[in-house]
Amino acid sequence: AQSVTQLDSQVPVFEEAPVELRCNYSSSVSVYLFWYVQYPNQGLQLLLKYLSGSTLVKGINGFEAEFNKSQTSFHLRKPSVHISDTAEYFCALEETSGSRLTFGEGTQLTVNP
Amino acid sequence: DAGVTQSPTHLIKTRGQQVTLRCSPKSGHDTVSWYQQALGQGPQFIFQYYEEEERQRGNFPDRFSGHQFPNYSSELNVNALLLGDSALYLCASSLWILGTGELFFGEGSRLTVL
Repeated sequence: AQSVTQLDSQVPVFEEAPVELRCNYSSSVSVYLFWYVQYPNQGLQLLLKYLSGSTLVKGINGFEAEFNKSQTSFHLRKPSVHISDTAEYFCALEETSGSRLTFGEGTQLTVNP
Repeated sequence: DAGVTQSPTHLIKTRGQQVTLRCSPKSGHDTVSWYQQALGQGPQFIFQYYEEEERQRGNFPDRFSGHQFPNYSSELNVNALLLGDSALYLCASSLWILGTGELFFGEGSRLTVL
């Protein structure tokens, strides 16, 4: 069965510092990969997605992620974070086109002044 | 362009009761999926509806049922509520023909079971 592991439950950083949120996955077939963000008391918003092609994917709000098939990872990065980036971030995979998403447990990113 | 709307936003029930949650998909979308998000956890897939039929189902008991209407809106019903059903219930919509997990989520319905 497929699974997603987010390696850090909480990541505190200072404003304007770089950040990396780590995500590993397990699947016996090819996958699509996603990062979603959830601000307090809100639903999830898609940050970026990897479907095929270039392994470096750029998303909204300056975030990017790199798909690494050999290491089965899809880490999320941002070179300089802002206070407004404070939120819960979820990595998710989809095994086949149109199937359900499997989410990780989430990483709480807290950006401090 | 209205996004995904869910109602009610908050509700409190007691064990054994039944609840109905409602969802209107984003304009132009025809597929609705429901997820349960327990406190401190990631969302878990409950089921997906397209063309008024349940297309996929996650590992949830039969107490969880749903429906999709001709206008693509959807309901999630939970019978015989348990304390463990307390969670944020998220509705997500998509376009079936695109066939990917680019879901648009509503803000959720927070259910508390006492």
